[in-house]
Amino acid sequence: QKEVEQNSGPLSVPEGAIASLNCTYSDRGSQSFFWYRQYSGKSPELIMSIYSNGDKEDGRFTAQLNKASQYVSLLIRDSQPSDSATYLCAVRNRDDKIIFGKGTRLHILP
Amino acid sequence: SAVISQKPSRDICQRGTSLTIQCQVDSQVTMMFWYRQQPGQSLTLIATANQGSEATYESGFVIDKFPISRPNLTFSTLTVSNMSPEDSSIYLCSVDRAVNEQFFGPGTRLTVL
Repeated sequence: QKEVEQNSGPLSVPEGAIASLNCTYSDRGSQSFFWYRQYSGKSPELIMSIYSNGDKEDGRFTAQLNKASQYVSLLIRDSQPSDSATYLCAVRNRDDKIIFGKGTRLHILP
Repeated sequence: SAVISQKPSRDICQRGTSLTIQCQVDSQVTMMFWYRQQPGQSLTLIATANQGSEATYESGFVIDKFPISRPNLTFSTLTVSNMSPEDSSIYLCSVDRAVNEQFFGPGTRLTVL
């Protein structure tokens, strides 16, 4: 049973549109949730963290958490070509370990 | 965030040899983590390295294959022993910083022939 699931993509979004990335997790006791961006050949870079239900906004990024549905999402507004990357969802589970999804490849079309 | 450096950044090694990867952090941290990212895959935690104690290994990883040192609060090494082509991967160290967040080093890209 996979613990953190993401659609692998690629997800293609026109420049200027909203990109929506989704993630589900299996451990209901998880309390911390993260989104990382990984450019090809680079290491993951933390872009958002969220701990409570609802929305958290940071610039063009909004993270959404619904613990009842075990669902986390990331919205990227006004998508730019530089947003093209793989986005990794990560969850800190009840064993205090961070588990990563396989990532969604996002491609912003100029 | 944290400034984390790794050496080497990449290497090509022969089957049966060993490679030691170094990870240096710009400030003292309690725990350091070693991950592997195989081609097209996500990150898999190999082990957690605490200063002054034995590393804690995840299921599927053993000390004989991946010995870890943690001599002080800013430095750790991971050795990939008796390498085979299946060990070709990116190896990343990471640290926890304030507010429960984890930051990664630049990674070591290993190719085993």
